[in-house]
Amino acid sequence: EPEVTQTPSHQVTQMGQEVILRCVPISNHLYFYWYRQILGQKVEFLVSFYNNEISEKSEIFDDQFSVERPDGSNFTLKIRSTKLEDSAMYFCASKIQGMHQPQHFGDGTRLSIL
Amino acid sequence: GDSVTQMEGPVTLSEEAFLTINCTYTATGYPSLFWYVQYPGEGLQLLLKATKADDKGSNKGFEATYRKETTSFHLEKGSVQVSDSAVYFCALSVGNTDKLIFGTGTRLQVFP
Repeated sequence: EPEVTQTPSHQVTQMGQEVILRCVPISNHLYFYWYRQILGQKVEFLVSFYNNEISEKSEIFDDQFSVERPDGSNFTLKIRSTKLEDSAMYFCASKIQGMHQPQHFGDGTRLSIL
Repeated sequence: GDSVTQMEGPVTLSEEAFLTINCTYTATGYPSLFWYVQYPGEGLQLLLKATKADDKGSNKGFEATYRKETTSFHLEKGSVQVSDSAVYFCALSVGNTDKLIFGTGTRLQVFP
């Protein structure tokens, strides 16, 4: 069964550094998402992406964050200048066209900011 | 705003016991409802879904019914197994982008 893949599984970065989290969505999916889960807290929506542009973003997704689909297969989340509070598990998800279709998630990238 | 409320965990059961994990929601529109499961060290996997009132989603012996009158989507299983030990997330999707709004998750621990 096709799946969403995320790399790396664990990223350790110094505060203030840029980090890029990578995702390869399922190939025929058209909608892409990033979520994060701070340890012990609920999974939170960050951003959705469709037709090569952001379709919705949350309050968390400020100017430090950006997303890109550079080559038709990868979907990346960049944090420009990381803060301690960015430490979390980041999940990528994708889904096909159509209402009520479920999102399929990757295994996540654990981001640790030192 | 839209939100999901789940019962606090952990839920601790013996094998073959009956499971209920409560989930209620608040939504301005007409959401779709989902249960996702997260096994240790893994990502979120869709367990089941329901897209309209009175729909019953089911998978792997788990069931949940979309109850509009009580705004609930409780997860049930008649006989749990040790392998069901995981964290279960109730979620709803709304709006044009279908973003998911999650509950806090409920950890289930099943002992032999």
